[in-house]
Amino acid sequence: KNEVEQSPQNLTAQEGEFITINCSYSVGISALHWLQQHPGGGIVSLFMLSSGKKKHGRLIATINIQEKHSSLHITASHPRDSAVYICAVRDYGGSQGNLIFGKGTKLSVKP
Amino acid sequence: NAGVMQNPRHLVRRRGQEARLRCSPMKGHSHVYWYRQLPEEGLKFMVYLQKENIIDESGMPKERFSAEFPKEGPSILRIQQVVRGDSAAYFCASSPQGPSTGELFFGEGSRLTVL
Repeated sequence: KNEVEQSPQNLTAQEGEFITINCSYSVGISALHWLQQHPGGGIVSLFMLSSGKKKHGRLIATINIQEKHSSLHITASHPRDSAVYICAVRDYGGSQGNLIFGKGTKLSVKP
Repeated sequence: NAGVMQNPRHLVRRRGQEARLRCSPMKGHSHVYWYRQLPEEGLKFMVYLQKENIIDESGMPKERFSAEFPKEGPSILRIQQVVRGDSAAYFCASSPQGPSTGELFFGEGSRLTVL
């Protein structure tokens, strides 16, 4: 079993829809990152969370430490949101630099 | 303030050659991380460096791979005697603080193709 599981693997939405991507993890963590990767492109860090909720524009990220679960929400989705969204956790007991990554959720927003 | 700069963006090597990938962190960042993304797979941690020191290389293959972050100049990931399985995207990230508190800033990646 992977230490970081994301769902769904693939997601197709119509422009304007509310989108939720989920991330569950099995290790104790000191932080959780949400990342965005466009096809053939670089990686952008969206959020770093250790508790609660963060909001940036149309993006909202929440984390429940007790349940070992995080969600990334996109409100009023737009075709430019089409990308792979990656959840990554910093294992509290792991080696210093190690982030453990989920396999990503590929989002396609249709106009 | 320029972002994390990686070069080359694309590199083609024949089996047995050497590949050198460079990463210049954001100004003021002294923590550098390298990650590898194999085709159709997720990202995997390789190595974490601070200036002149390797802090954590637990994700580095034991042979042919090395990394450095000298006092002056970019961090370098070096792959000797490349094989086809080394074909991947290599991403560098930097942070102003250590891994437990530092937000990460990623580069555009270097895509290595081994023929």
